[in-house]
Amino acid sequence: KAGVTQTPRYLIKTRGQQVTLSCSPISGHRSVSWYQQTPGQGLQFLFEYFSETQRNKGNFPGRFSGRQFSNSRSEMNVSTLELGDSALYLCASSLDRNQETQYFGPGTRLLVL
Amino acid sequence: KQEVTQIPAALSVPEGENLVLNCSFTDSAIYNLQWFRQDPGKGLTSLLLIQSSQREQTSGRLNASLDKSSGRSTLYIAASQPGDSATYLCAVCTDKLIFGTGTRLQVFP
Repeated sequence: KAGVTQTPRYLIKTRGQQVTLSCSPISGHRSVSWYQQTPGQGLQFLFEYFSETQRNKGNFPGRFSGRQFSNSRSEMNVSTLELGDSALYLCASSLDRNQETQYFGPGTRLLVL
Repeated sequence: KQEVTQIPAALSVPEGENLVLNCSFTDSAIYNLQWFRQDPGKGLTSLLLIQSSQREQTSGRLNASLDKSSGRSTLYIAASQPGDSATYLCAVCTDKLIFGTGTRLQVFP
């Protein structure tokens, strides 16, 4: 069974631009969560989607948004990029969040210049 | 507010030692606790998941315990190997995963 895939793996953007990251979950998984990892703040929860509905959202500004498609693939978008958005963005998938193991993708490393 | 702490922050040991990594959390209202390892610049690899009703889980040389009432979990690594070198993260599952800051482990030959 293929694992969680994320594209692109690396991105370089400049301040003010916007970016879209993609996550394909393990086949059959309906829950997709997104996390931001930085050296200073560690791993922080962004949002979770389940069956195309946002089920939960972390404490991030509205510049961070996401969506999930009918095939469970998910995208997250960051608008008006700031230097502080430089991070490793990880997505995780599971059958359902609360009882099941969450499997993480390799991440997208975003550098904002 | 749930807070997760991991001790020690870093650990360097010779190959063959048995290790204990600690994780503590402030709110016992969790669905489960998961241990992950992360290699530099990579994603997270799930090691063990312990449901809130369980006391321990084992996988190969790894054993994780959970004491929900005291807000503690330990990850025991038997007979450590250089390939075990990585950062180990624990995470409690509430309505999301809340991560500790990790223990950076180095096992030298």
